[in-house]
Amino acid sequence: EAQVTQNPRYLITVTGKKLTVTCSQNMNHEYMSWYRQDPGLGLRQIYYSMNVEVTDKGDVPEGYKVSRKEKRNFPLILESPSPNQTSLYFCASSLFWRSYNEQFFGPGTRLTVL
Amino acid sequence: DQQVKQNSPSLSVQEGRISILNCDYTNSMFDYFLWYKKYPAEGPTFLISISSIKDKNEDGRFTVFLNKSAKHLSLHIVPSQPGDSAVYFCAASGTLDSGGGADGLTFGKGTHLIIQP
Repeated sequence: EAQVTQNPRYLITVTGKKLTVTCSQNMNHEYMSWYRQDPGLGLRQIYYSMNVEVTDKGDVPEGYKVSRKEKRNFPLILESPSPNQTSLYFCASSLFWRSYNEQFFGPGTRLTVL
Repeated sequence: DQQVKQNSPSLSVQEGRISILNCDYTNSMFDYFLWYKKYPAEGPTFLISISSIKDKNEDGRFTVFLNKSAKHLSLHIVPSQPGDSAVYFCAASGTLDSGGGADGLTFGKGTHLIIQP
């Protein structure tokens, strides 16, 4: 089954404790990205990757890191989480950049930073 | 500056009637527009899209209309069904130089559609 998986689905952590949210897709997609969804703000892009070893900042990259060492995986790293990073996070992938009509989203990771 | 605006946070429609969701944009460089649907506890799913060279695109019960001069698009759902109750996001795409999102895709804040029996 074609899908984007994220882990964990729910996470409660404390300020400053490094964490990683994993994202994996099984569709051989070149393009992957991370979004956060906040009440009243919609979806905002954090980082994106057009291919392996190619990553770039989205609209709200501060406080986040990513890596793309393999085509299928695109982890989101919070080196020192803060309460303002409490949010719902979505990973997405598509065959190419701008093939949005075939963009698949993961189920989301709800992160709470205390 | 919000470049894609969905001014109705929620919309309630009776089952069987038409649902009309609206979206306005400010950046004339956007050239591709999409609607995504999102259920609780799930990721958004692509619904329908339209290129700026068209003014209408239809897919079953869903039709998207684009009015470039007014920088306005709308999603029509006819007839509305209970399973259509969800949050709908409008999104716009441009080139990397269009001033949209970093990769050219900018989302609105979403409209929560509620279909009442």
